[in-house]
Amino acid sequence: KAGVTQTPRYLIKTRGQQVTLSCSPISGHRSVSWYQQTPGQGLQFLFEYFSETQRNKGNFPGRFSGRQFSNSRSEMNVSTLELGDSALYLCASSSDRGAYGYTFGSGTRLTVV
Amino acid sequence: DQQVKQNSPSLSVQEGRISILNCDYTNSMFDYFLWYKKYPAEGPTFLISISSIKDKNEDGRFTVFLNKSAKHLSLHIVPSQPGDSAVYFCAASTYDKIIFGKGTRLHILP
Repeated sequence: KAGVTQTPRYLIKTRGQQVTLSCSPISGHRSVSWYQQTPGQGLQFLFEYFSETQRNKGNFPGRFSGRQFSNSRSEMNVSTLELGDSALYLCASSSDRGAYGYTFGSGTRLTVV
Repeated sequence: DQQVKQNSPSLSVQEGRISILNCDYTNSMFDYFLWYKKYPAEGPTFLISISSIKDKNEDGRFTVFLNKSAKHLSLHIVPSQPGDSAVYFCAASTYDKIIFGKGTRLHILP
């Protein structure tokens, strides 16, 4: 059974640019959540999608957005990149509304220069 | 408002000894608790979990203890091995929400 797949693994962008990250959940999982990890800040929740609808949202500015497709794949977009957006972005999927069975992808390391 | 707290940012333990990682939570609605382990440049991997109806769950070298009255859980690793050096995240969840702590970096010393 394939795990959660995130692409790309590494990305370097310039300030002001925008970026799109992709996440393919485990087959059959309908919930996809996104997290930002920076040193000292742990896992900061961005948003969660379930059946193509955003169900929960964290405290991030509107520059951070996402969407989920009918096949449960999800994308996250960050516009007008800032240096502080450099982080490891993690996607996690779970099988239903429950948060009990979270599986994380390997993440996308975004560096903004 | 930090609902899940890991008050020790880092912990160093001698190889072969017991590692104890602690976690406190504030919301009594949480009914499931999990520990994840994370190596650099990788996503967190599930380690062990416990339901709120239990006070202990054991899996090999890993045991999680839950004290509901104190709203406290701990992860015991015994004996500690070099490969256990990683960041450990505690998480608490309800049916539709999961909250992570900020993590504790565990160093296993040779």
